[in-house]
Amino acid sequence: GAGVSQSPSNKVTEKGKDVELRCDPISGHTALYWYRQSLGQGLEFLIYFQGNSAPDKSGLPSDRFSAERTGGSVSTLTIQRTQQEDSAVYLCASSPALAGVGGNNIQYFGAGTRLSVL
Amino acid sequence: RKEVEQDPGPFNVPEGATVAFNCTYSNSASQSFFWYRQDCRKEPKLLMSVYSSGNEDGRFTAQLNRASQYISLLIRDSKLSDSATYLCVVSVWGAGGTSYGKLTFGQGTILTVHP
Repeated sequence: GAGVSQSPSNKVTEKGKDVELRCDPISGHTALYWYRQSLGQGLEFLIYFQGNSAPDKSGLPSDRFSAERTGGSVSTLTIQRTQQEDSAVYLCASSPALAGVGGNNIQYFGAGTRLSVL
Repeated sequence: RKEVEQDPGPFNVPEGATVAFNCTYSNSASQSFFWYRQDCRKEPKLLMSVYSSGNEDGRFTAQLNRASQYISLLIRDSKLSDSATYLCVVSVWGAGGTSYGKLTFGQGTILTVHP
């Protein structure tokens, strides 16, 4: 079946512009996550959506970053007034409904959006 | 101190070699553990979950030591196709013992297997 789909795959923008990154999770997955990976760095958690619960936004680096998930499926990550330090690969992942006690949380990643801010 | 620490390597080994990666984590509330693999310019993919009793999947063996907050991955009989970055990943449980969801990644260990 289809995996996690992200678009665009590459985005070049000018400093100060707004960008929107899109994520289509695997059908039926209720949990959706955004991470970013800067050059030579590990993955950094940004935000997490689970069903209809309030999202965990604890990883968003500034108020220029926001994300929404409409209809419990597609998610959009928006970066306003982009800065050069925002350049990174933005990865989306989804996982099935969280298992109960003792369950593991296996996440499936999309190929990412490579953002370059000039 | 980083929440998840790994030796970044790189590890350069010949085909057929056995190689081991180590990882330590700082949050004692961590309850789920994984090894992910990431190929160059690709997304991370789950290699294996890590269970308390240790587990094996073909040439790969994972171990967990909760007391020392230490995770390991052993690769036997290395193949050229094993060349990748190996990511140590932990997850914290939330209230009620359910898996919380947020994954914390180590920076990864680079492995190159040469002929």
